[in-house]
Amino acid sequence: DAGVTQSPTHLIKTRGQQVTLRCSPISGHKSVSWYQQVLGQGPQFIFQYYEKEERGRGNFPDRFSARQFPNYSSELNVNALLLGDSALYLCASRYTGTQNTEAFFGQGTRLTVV
Amino acid sequence: SQQGEEDPQALSIQEGENATMNCSYKTSINNLQWYRQNSGRGLVHLILIRSNEREKHSGRLRVTLDTSKKSSSLLITASRAADTASYFCACLTAGGTSYGKLTFGQGTILTVHP
Repeated sequence: DAGVTQSPTHLIKTRGQQVTLRCSPISGHKSVSWYQQVLGQGPQFIFQYYEKEERGRGNFPDRFSARQFPNYSSELNVNALLLGDSALYLCASRYTGTQNTEAFFGQGTRLTVV
Repeated sequence: SQQGEEDPQALSIQEGENATMNCSYKTSINNLQWYRQNSGRGLVHLILIRSNEREKHSGRLRVTLDTSKKSSSLLITASRAADTASYFCACLTAGGTSYGKLTFGQGTILTVHP
């Protein structure tokens, strides 16, 4: 079984541009979450989606948005990129939207804003 | 502020020794999870301990949870060079509106010397 897959693996963008990151969860997992990890820090929660509905949002500006598709894959969009958006973006999938199940992470997308 | 805070920030040991990492948190939790991350790549789930559990084992890993002290520890026994990585604790907070949100600490960087 494939794990959580994210694309692209690396990305370089210029300030002010827009970026779309993609995530495919483990087959059968309906919950997808996005996290931002800045170098040297722990991951910070951005969004959670379950059954195509937003179930949680972290403390990020409105430039960050996401959606989940009928096949449970997800996209994270970031508009008007800033240098501070440079980070590893991680996607996690979970078997259900309930709480006592493990989250499985993809390898991440390394975004560099120049 | 971070929900989980790890201690120490960095740990350097010899192969065969045991490694202990500690995590403290601030509010009530549903569960606490430990993850490993190699060289800024994706997070690998190690173990989940529920708020009503006190200890769990998985291979060379032992996790304890003390909800009265709001703390957890991860013990890796008979460490190997391959255990070299960053280790994060992540708390799933009880209640609230963020459904399935994990709050991570800053991590402990473990170096195991051959």
